Amino acid sequence: DAKTTQPNSMESNEEEPVHLPCNHSTISGTDYIHWYRQLPSQGPEYVIHGLTSNVNNRMASLAIAEDRKSSTLILHRATLRDAAVYYCILRRDSSYKLIFGSGTRLLVRP
Amino acid sequence: KAGVTQTPRYLIKTRGQQVTLSCSPISGHRSVSWYQQTPGQGLQFLFEYFSETQRNKGNFPGRFSGRQFSNSRSEMNVSTLELGDSALYLCASSLGQGAGGYTFGSGTRLTVV
Repeated sequence: DAKTTQPNSMESNEEEPVHLPCNHSTISGTDYIHWYRQLPSQGPEYVIHGLTSNVNNRMASLAIAEDRKSSTLILHRATLRDAAVYYCILRRDSSYKLIFGSGTRLLVRP
Repeated sequence: KAGVTQTPRYLIKTRGQQVTLSCSPISGHRSVSWYQQTPGQGLQFLFEYFSETQRNKGNFPGRFSGRQFSNSRSEMNVSTLELGDSALYLCASSLGQGAGGYTFGSGTRLTVV
């Protein structure tokens, strides 16, 4: 399974946008880029996923580089409830398992 | 709609015992996956079931096993418990086809003493 690299931690101010980067230089053509987040004392929560094109949903946006070797999860206006560990995961189309890395711990300052 | 339900939420067992954890997926979801989360190893994939068949398996010893029933509910069993099995065990459900996301339950916190 291809590996992802994320910063250990990031900080943001409330109501400001947050850009969470992820590098995946060994991504293959059938790997989908998934993002999950885990709030304290909860299971991971699906945020967004994409293959080649940028994606938007009610929670966030996913910007995928043209060569697909990196991506960025964008939270448009961070709230205190967005403080969590964010995981960037590559999931092969034919694989039904998620390989979690250590993720990025996001701290949101009021 | 109801989310993924895991029971029990907390469990304390003694070394050498066995334990069974239960997971009820979202209605209509046919795939159930299990993960172990510890402070040292993070989130690790255990196995995945789809239509009562194990489709994927992680790198865990044979003491860890699971099954899925015809209604898609799943159980995982850990035999001969060790102190290192203390962890949060998470279940995730999905449609089982396509590239969509998974819905996780809140987990079962297992403590082995």
